[in-house]
Amino acid sequence: AQKITQTQPGMFVQEKEAVTLDCTYDTSDPSYGLFWYKQPSSGEMIFLIYQGSYDQQNATEGRYSLNFQKARKSANLVISASQLGDSAMYFCAMREVGGGADGLTFGKGTHLIIQP
Amino acid sequence: GAGVSQSPSNKVTEKGKDVELRCDPISGHTALYWYRQSLGQGLEFLIYFQGNSAPDKSGLPSDRFSAERTGGSVSTLTIQRTQQEDSAVYLCASSPGLAAGEQFFGPGTRLTVL
Repeated sequence: AQKITQTQPGMFVQEKEAVTLDCTYDTSDPSYGLFWYKQPSSGEMIFLIYQGSYDQQNATEGRYSLNFQKARKSANLVISASQLGDSAMYFCAMREVGGGADGLTFGKGTHLIIQP
Repeated sequence: GAGVSQSPSNKVTEKGKDVELRCDPISGHTALYWYRQSLGQGLEFLIYFQGNSAPDKSGLPSDRFSAERTGGSVSTLTIQRTQQEDSAVYLCASSPGLAAGEQFFGPGTRLTVL
């Protein structure tokens, strides 16, 4: 079974609209972290936001917020007031603290295109 | 300050040759990670180092892959007897320590095996 599922391979959104990118995860580890990264066409991986499994509040970073629903194992990324520069691949990732390997497990990504 | 750097940025090699990929993490970061990104497999975690130690090598795709880190800094990923399926972008990341939140990624090395 996939540990990180991103069900939207591609999305087209009008500039200035809000965007929600879906991410569900699967783990039995009670301690884990959830990440979102942005990868523009240039290829670099840009960290956007982090949510720890024990965090009581949803994480926010500027225009990015993470809608963390622990019982549903959901960690959707919300981008408010989208901009043309938001066009990129977006990856949801998880690190299971008890897993030992410490690497991130990534979803397959969502290709977001912002249209003027 | 300087971010994670990787070299070379691009590498084209012939099937059967050995290649070395280098990663220079952010100064002071004790944890270092290698990932591979390919069209077919997406982003895969390969191996991590805490200091110079790699406790778990099970993520390496085959015994042709090896990695080392010396002096708690620079790491090299070596692929022996390269195959066409090794073609991918190899990404390195570092973080201040294990379970320390964000991993900072380098620009990657694009490997093409002809």
